[in-house]
Amino acid sequence: GAVVSQHPSWVICKSGTSVKIECRSLDFQATTMFWYRQFPKQSLMLMATSNEGSKATYEQGVEKDKFLINHASLTLSTLTVTSAHPEDSSFYICSAREGQTLYGYTFGSGTRLTVV
Amino acid sequence: AQSVAQPEDQVNVAEGNPLTVKCTYSVSGNPYLFWYVQYPNRGLQFLLKYITGDNLVKGSYGFEAEFNKSQTSFHLKKPSALVSDSALYFCAVRDRDAGNMLTFGGGTRLMVKP
Repeated sequence: GAVVSQHPSWVICKSGTSVKIECRSLDFQATTMFWYRQFPKQSLMLMATSNEGSKATYEQGVEKDKFLINHASLTLSTLTVTSAHPEDSSFYICSAREGQTLYGYTFGSGTRLTVV
Repeated sequence: AQSVAQPEDQVNVAEGNPLTVKCTYSVSGNPYLFWYVQYPNRGLQFLLKYITGDNLVKGSYGFEAEFNKSQTSFHLKKPSALVSDSALYFCAVRDRDAGNMLTFGGGTRLMVKP
């Protein structure tokens, strides 16, 4: 079946630095990728939707300049948390939708970001 | 707008007993409905989906869900719970006629005790 690889699984960084999270579809072309943020014991909150080759669409309240999303190819999307602060600490999950599938969503394993 | 409600934060059930995790939804058009399971510090694993056709959907690990249009519900069920079923369960909906975004419920933690 479809597999999405998300890397790294966890990362600790200092305040003020930037962190890049990668999301790769391993065996299918992902025309659309989604980035979610999940706080402890809470649901997934959609941050942005990215389509290959175009700018990401951010949800209301998500800072575009802080959470940079790049979807340069059909198999790779990246989320860069810029100038990270402790309040950015969270679990980030990506999801990819195969181009020909109307309802197939595959999720990555998530990235635990801790900003100290 | 689309939304999902999972009214129970936690469901406790004894191993071997049947389990139900509730989900109701709201969409403007017709729904695609999904159930996912999440284990600690992991992404979401797909369990089952309703797209069209038979209202009773069977999925992975013995789980099933019934689409009830009149009650706008999509409750997850399993006849006999296992301790290993203990996890966080999310219901999600997508409006067929409005974009490709999934909206998730708040999640329900299932605790199966031996």
